[in-house]
Formats: sequence, C-alpha cells, structure tokens
Amino acid sequence: GESVGLHLPTLSVQEGDNSIINCAYSNSASDYFIWYKQESGKGPQFIIDIRSNMDKRQGQRVTVLLNKTVKHLSLQIAATQPGDSAVYFCAENRGRYGQNFVFGPGTRLSVLP
Amino acid sequence: ETGVTQTPRHLVMGMTNKKSLKCEQHLGHNAMYWYKQSAKKPLELMFVYSLEERVENNSVPSRFSPECPNSSHLFLHLHTLQPEDSALYLCASSQVSGSRYEQYFGPGTRLTVT
Repeated sequence: GESVGLHLPTLSVQEGDNSIINCAYSNSASDYFIWYKQESGKGPQFIIDIRSNMDKRQGQRVTVLLNKTVKHLSLQIAATQPGDSAVYFCAENRGRYGQNFVFGPGTRLSVLP
Repeated sequence: ETGVTQTPRHLVMGMTNKKSLKCEQHLGHNAMYWYKQSAKKPLELMFVYSLEERVENNSVPSRFSPECPNSSHLFLHLHTLQPEDSALYLCASSQVSGSRYEQYFGPGTRLTVT
C-alpha cells in the first residue's frame, strides 16, 4: 500500500513579516532546548538554544521563548526573508551532556514574496 | 557545513548487500551521533559515542552496527536491511563538556533499500 508520510505543519508568511513557530515538548525534566533549521538537501543547522532556567533568549533576528508551565517553546523570526524558508525543529535534551535529544516533527516555513 | 562530512551522499542497496556509511568531523569534538530521518517519523537518535565509547543504543535493530575508531570518525555498517530502512541517515558531533550541547550535523546519506 501507499506509505503515509509525516504531516508537517506549514506556516506561510509574507517577506518582511515576523514568524512564530511553536513546539510542545513532553518531558518536564528536560533542561536544555535547541531550535534547528533544515534546508532541502542539507542537515539540520543550529539556530539558537535555551536552558530551562531561562524563559527568553535572543539572537540575531531570532528569539526563543520557553514556557515551562505548559511545556511550550516558540521561535520568533523577525523580518522574515526568503532564505528563512526551511523546516524548523525543536529538540529537548533528556540526557547527560546533551547526549539524548528528542526532536519534534518540525514545521515547514514558506516565505512568500 | 564542512565541519561534518558524510560519504556517500546517496546509496542504493539490495536487502542482501553489506555497505558502510562514513562520517568524519573536523571540529575537535568528543561525541558523535547517528540519526535516522524518515518521512514517517521525526528525527530519531540511533547511536551515541562519547569519548569513543558507546553511550546510548536506543534499541536499534542489529542490522545496523556502529563503529567509532577514534573521536573524528564514525561508521554505520549496514547488512540485511529492509525497505523500511530507506531514509536519510545523519551524523552529528558535539563537545560534551561545558554548558552548551549544540550538535553539528553533516549533510546526510540518502539510503534507498530495494
């Protein structure tokens, strides 16, 4: 029979607008989180990380927000550009020294001209 | 992107073949990882080597056999694979000291089992 692929949520935004990508994690003991970006034909690329003792961290054009109460993580991209089109994954660390990351299913971001 | 390299980039093999995937990291890291990325599931951790010793083995079928001869090289030996093993196999490396656990990924090997 036909195989069923993983259905990725898709977010479409206009170039120049801000993007918000959300992620729910499952383990309340997870102490470290990373957002990755994966472009077609490439491996995941680190964007930004955050520890569980923080609720916000900013990078260049990106901000990660962590809400431990509801186990929710978000990635905000300011002034979205065509080069931001990719699949974005959140990952939660469940092991010592970052040796057991569990990845979310990903969100596909499409930037419209 | 040249920090972690993987060869081959594409591989087609029959179910009775034996092949190996190779990964090399040029970042001076002390941990290396194999992940499987398929269309049906999120990115899955297969094996972890830290300081050249296997740390995690997440119940991966024995038809996948990892080897880490030194901190810069990682292999994944494949034998008697099944069609459902077709996927993108990603290698990553990281430094397990310090407070940041950022993993650097290679471009992956696209494996097709026929």
